[in-house]
Amino acid sequence: AQSVTQPDIHITVSEGASLELRCNYSYGATPYLFWYVQSPGQGLQLLLKYFSGDTLVQGIKGFEAEFKRSQSSFNLRKPSVHWSDAAEYFCAVGARGYSTLTFGKGTMLLVSP
Amino acid sequence: ETGVTQSPTHLIKTRGQQVTLRCSSQSGHNTVSWYQQALGQGPQFIFQYYREEENGRGNFPPRFSGLQFPNYSSELNVNALELDDSALYLCASSLADSGGRWEQYFGPGTRLTVT
Repeated sequence: AQSVTQPDIHITVSEGASLELRCNYSYGATPYLFWYVQSPGQGLQLLLKYFSGDTLVQGIKGFEAEFKRSQSSFNLRKPSVHWSDAAEYFCAVGARGYSTLTFGKGTMLLVSP
Repeated sequence: ETGVTQSPTHLIKTRGQQVTLRCSSQSGHNTVSWYQQALGQGPQFIFQYYREEENGRGNFPPRFSGLQFPNYSSELNVNALELDDSALYLCASSLADSGGRWEQYFGPGTRLTVT
């Protein structure tokens, strides 16, 4: 069975500082990996995705993520956080040929002035 | 291109009642998935429909049922509502490419409160 762990429930980052959100997954084959962002009371917006190939993927809003198979990780990064990035971030895993997602419990990002 | 839409936005029901939530998928997407997101949790997969047939189900009881229509829109029905059914219900549509790659696009959700 697939599973996703996001170890940090909350993270506070100063505006302008760098950000890294952690994600570890469990899956038997090569996973499809995704990061989504959710603002309060809203649906999920896709930030970026990994299917195969280059392990460093670029997404929207200046986010990037790196797939590390040896560590079963897919951490999300941003070099300089803006106040508008405050939201909840979800990592998710899926599989080729079966389009359902298993989500982590999310990490709430707070941005301090 | 119209994105995924859901109705209603909010709904309040009483325990034991039945509810129907609706979803219109993104244009051209033939697969619809439904998720339940309880407060403070990640979304949990309920079931998926592909070309009007159920194509997978998560760990939810049979009182959660669904339909997909020829235009790929979908309904989620919940019978005998329980207090724990209070959650944000998210619909997502997707379309796989020839290489089997896909991504899900989510609607804004329906907030269901059961009292």
